[in-house]
Amino acid sequence: NAGVTQTPKFQVLKTGQSMTLQCAQDMNHEYMSWYRQDPGMGLRLIHYSVGAGITDQGEVPNGYNVSRSTTEDFPLRLLSAAPSQTSVYFCASNGLAGGLHEQYFGPGTRLTVT
Amino acid sequence: ILNVEQSPQSLHVQEGDSTNFTCSFPSSNFYALHWYRWETAKSPEALFVMTLNGDEKKKGRISATLNTKEGYSYLYIKGSQPEDSATYLCAWISGTYKYIFGTGTRLKVLA
Repeated sequence: NAGVTQTPKFQVLKTGQSMTLQCAQDMNHEYMSWYRQDPGMGLRLIHYSVGAGITDQGEVPNGYNVSRSTTEDFPLRLLSAAPSQTSVYFCASNGLAGGLHEQYFGPGTRLTVT
Repeated sequence: ILNVEQSPQSLHVQEGDSTNFTCSFPSSNFYALHWYRWETAKSPEALFVMTLNGDEKKKGRISATLNTKEGYSYLYIKGSQPEDSATYLCAWISGTYKYIFGTGTRLKVLA
């Protein structure tokens, strides 16, 4: 049982490049989400999903796309990277049956956009 | 704009002291409140899931209470130990499962 895994751990992009941050969980959790962590701002929700085929926007969705084709995977796509997207990105998952359960976080991806 | 506020931002306590922090959140459209413990260079770890007004949860020396009518939750640590040093986060969850996190309370326990 690996929990929530994220790849890569570190990434450097040039402005305008695109990339996908991968997130997978093996706990059969319905709810998955992406956050960014910036100094002084705490964790901010980017996108979330309550099940395969269903996604919705969080607090800061602009510049990011997601899809949820399987229960296990929830990739985050940066369409055209900007320096403002330099941040640490966390993926998380929760069980949802009978109410939202405790949330498990992945180890994070540190992204730098130059 | 929905706001979740935590106070204090940081505090230092002596080993053995008891301490508490506050999380204030919108009282409307409330679904749940989660508390987390976040150590430097690690990922946040869930402490408590709280849903009902008047909820009280306990895990070892750490406990939490919830008042959804007035929009606040308290986290208590009894007999603080150096290993309790971490940032404690709360997150308010809306009826549509959106999470809004506070910026955390940074606790340092001095030996």
